[in-house]
Amino acid sequence: DAGITQSPRHKVTETGTPVTLRCHQTENHRYMYWYRQDPGHGLRLIHYSYGVKDTDKGEVSDGYSVSRSKTEDFLLTLESATSSQTSVYFCAISGSTDTQYFGPGTRLTVL
Amino acid sequence: QKEVEQDPGPLSVPEGAIVSLNCTYSNSAFQYFMWYRQYSRKGPELLMYTYSSGNKEDGRFTAQVDKSSKYISLFIRDSQPSDSATYLCALPGFGNEKLTFGTGTRLTIIP
Repeated sequence: DAGITQSPRHKVTETGTPVTLRCHQTENHRYMYWYRQDPGHGLRLIHYSYGVKDTDKGEVSDGYSVSRSKTEDFLLTLESATSSQTSVYFCAISGSTDTQYFGPGTRLTVL
Repeated sequence: QKEVEQDPGPLSVPEGAIVSLNCTYSNSAFQYFMWYRQYSRKGPELLMYTYSSGNKEDGRFTAQVDKSSKYISLFIRDSQPSDSATYLCALPGFGNEKLTFGTGTRLTIIP
């Protein structure tokens, strides 16, 4: 998975609790992305980062925040998890702005 | 209208058959075209990347782009059970830092 790890790999949480997902890369790539994947919707971009402390919103950013304090780490936080945020979350990295390499994914269930 | 449309399938074909997977797109500004393959419970992986109209071949896989019709295809020859996966088309947008994905077509090759 191109030097990308995601943690945790599985998580079950309750509605209203905060959740943080971590993406870690060893490739020193500039760009990092968070997607969610749901049946019928494919991959949808939540947030992305184009450098340390530089982030921007994707198409489904409501209810999510991100932080990138180091090149290798990109954190996704669900401020107050809802059942609609039950999904599979993928992190991706890119060094040259087009080809993206994906992590193994995190399965999140919000009860 | 979605920027990228892809038939979600599922598609089941017998081993050895030729498979055709397709996407249509609406924005003629897209210049580069990618196909990702995603095995069950794994992250997507880049399969093919093409810049221009016409065909690009890589082993049993051929990517075809028709910019005049805004139509891209992926052909798999001599399909194998190991080709069973979801195939997603992806198109880089302006600046290329973001990808727009199709919803994916789930393919099963029957032995």
